[in-house]
Amino acid sequence: QSVLTQPPSASGTPGQRVTISCSGSSSNIGSNYVYWYQQLPGTAPKLLIYRNNQRPSGVPDRFSGSKSGTSASLAISGLRSEDEADYYCAAWDDSLVVFGGGTKLTVL
Amino acid sequence: QVQLQESGPGLVKPSETLSLTCAVSGYSISSGYYWGWIRQPPGKGLEWIGSIYHSGSTYYNPSLKSRVTISVDTSKNQFSLKLSSVTAADTAVYYCARVLGIAVAGLDYWGQGTLVTVSS
Repeated sequence: QSVLTQPPSASGTPGQRVTISCSGSSSNIGSNYVYWYQQLPGTAPKLLIYRNNQRPSGVPDRFSGSKSGTSASLAISGLRSEDEADYYCAAWDDSLVVFGGGTKLTVL
Repeated sequence: QVQLQESGPGLVKPSETLSLTCAVSGYSISSGYYWGWIRQPPGKGLEWIGSIYHSGSTYYNPSLKSRVTISVDTSKNQFSLKLSSVTAADTAVYYCARVLGIAVAGLDYWGQGTLVTVSS
């Protein structure tokens, strides 16, 4: 049981906009920055969004993050086949890093 | 370009100690940042193990704290993980990563990961 709650799966067709939610509490998302990671099959996670809505250099602007209260979301616009991956949210919680359980995104 | 590479035994017997090292290149550990370990059981999600600063200051996941030791060797530009009294539940891919700061969940550079299986 993960501290942060994500839907186990999401899907969309090429070109569509998809959002993935991440729900937490006042001790994690409610009081700390949210980070998002993309994990392609068989590879290490990659930082996708930091400090709620900032993109590291090289991450396309199709990816965006937002946060409101104790929830956050990741939006992917102009969906592409290479976006098919697992996505994880993360936040600091009191004395440790907590992750969501991950959302498997399928591009139909 | 910052690069991290995990190394260590791929098979550990139950009740023994898992030991891994993460070699860092392209950046001096002594220059700053925290450095962390994360694991991922096969087919499951990510679990944070702990982090260390070049000074030796550490943060551990409370659920693993009694069994975990993370240390740093600035002369070799590497940091290490020891997890004692392992069981099958500790079987996972273990990743090392650079942490963006204290009390944050940002990990900007990752190693490729190494699978550690606990089995007799």
